[in-house]
Amino acid sequence: QQPVQSPQAVILREGEDAVINCSSSKALYSVHWYRQKHGEAPVFLMILLKGGEQKGHDKISASFNEKKQQSSLYLTASQLSYSGTYFCGTEGRDNYGQNFVFGPGTRLSVLP
Amino acid sequence: DTGVSQNPRHKITKRGQNVTFRCDPISEHNRLYWYRQTLGQGPEFLTYFQNEAQLEKSRLLSDRFSAERPKGSFSTLEIQRTEQGDSAMYLCASSLAATDTQYFGPGTRLTVL
Repeated sequence: QQPVQSPQAVILREGEDAVINCSSSKALYSVHWYRQKHGEAPVFLMILLKGGEQKGHDKISASFNEKKQQSSLYLTASQLSYSGTYFCGTEGRDNYGQNFVFGPGTRLSVLP
Repeated sequence: DTGVSQNPRHKITKRGQNVTFRCDPISEHNRLYWYRQTLGQGPEFLTYFQNEAQLEKSRLLSDRFSAERPKGSFSTLEIQRTEQGDSAMYLCASSLAATDTQYFGPGTRLTVL
């Protein structure tokens, strides 16, 4: 079952912050975050494992709340290069077994 | 360049024809995934392999789709009797293990006329 991402789209000015949320209805083992620019393949940002992890590098960080089956991606002091579509991918288990599913994406536009 | 290669990069075919795509993962990676992506949507999981074993196939995937990874290295995805609805970007990704980074290839864009 596909995770839900919010918001669907966001427009920022350079230097502003943004939060992208990802939630699932099933128990999760891990959450992956990827960014995809138009016409290109998705590029890895980070993976968070169950246990309530929080990770970050540069000005992009993320948290994973295993109990709530939610993850959030935090973009601070956004740069023009942050523009793209952000996907969360969730690895979990449902009645049919373990699977990996991407969310529908959040389109981020950073304007000068 | 992530080290994952896919061929061909583009394929145009007529409805009803069979097509086959190839993915060469990063050499030491045990896991190999196939996804399909249409414009404005996230990648849709199709199937994945752990070495040469196909561990899971999407329940939504038609029987016209089949994938192999015969020696646990490269993989092929075949679509039989293509339909216009099969038009999409087909992405391959590989990872070292289950919870590791998935490195994506550039994709094969399929257009079914």
